[in-house]
Amino acid sequence: EPEVTQTPSHQVTQMGQEVILRCVPISNHLYFYWYRQILGQKVEFLVSFYNNEISEKSEIFDDQFSVERPDGSNFTLKIRSTKLEDSAMYFCASTIARNTEAFFGQGTRLTVV
Amino acid sequence: QKEVEQDPGPLSVPEGAIVSLNCTYSNSAFQYFMWYRQYSRKGPELLMYTYSSGNKEDGRFTAQVDKSSKYISLFIRDSQPSDSATYLCAMKEGGGYQKVTFGTGTKLQVIP
Repeated sequence: EPEVTQTPSHQVTQMGQEVILRCVPISNHLYFYWYRQILGQKVEFLVSFYNNEISEKSEIFDDQFSVERPDGSNFTLKIRSTKLEDSAMYFCASTIARNTEAFFGQGTRLTVV
Repeated sequence: QKEVEQDPGPLSVPEGAIVSLNCTYSNSAFQYFMWYRQYSRKGPELLMYTYSSGNKEDGRFTAQVDKSSKYISLFIRDSQPSDSATYLCAMKEGGGYQKVTFGTGTKLQVIP
């Protein structure tokens, strides 16, 4: 069964460092998303991406965040200068069309120390 | 008022019981309603996806949406210990909006 894959599964970084989280969406999907879940809290939307541009973003997705689809398969989330409060699980998701169900990856646990 | 409210539980039931999980919401623009299951430190796994009001059944799972009351439910019949997880309700506006808004999740434990 097709699935969304994310790497790495766990990333530890020092405050102020840049991190890149990687995702390979399901191959025929066209819409891509990042969500995050701080430990013990709800899953929160960060950004959606379609046709090589951001289509929607939340207030969490500030200038420190960026997304990119560098090739035909990968979808990345970059955090430029990490803060302690960026520690969370980051989930990538994809959908085949605009209003179809989203499939989530297993997440990258980011720990900022 | 929170946009999506969900009782965090935990909810403990004996194996074989019928489980009822619920969410209320305040945004009348929500049109798409989902239930996800999430095991500890794993990604959300889609269980049910419905559009607008009505019922949808899939195996032991039934999703109900009542837009007039802004209330959605997930029923699990013949619950199994493997159903023990956190259940997240989620919803989305129609049109061009892609943001999915999640509830906080209800932790379910099915006791053998």
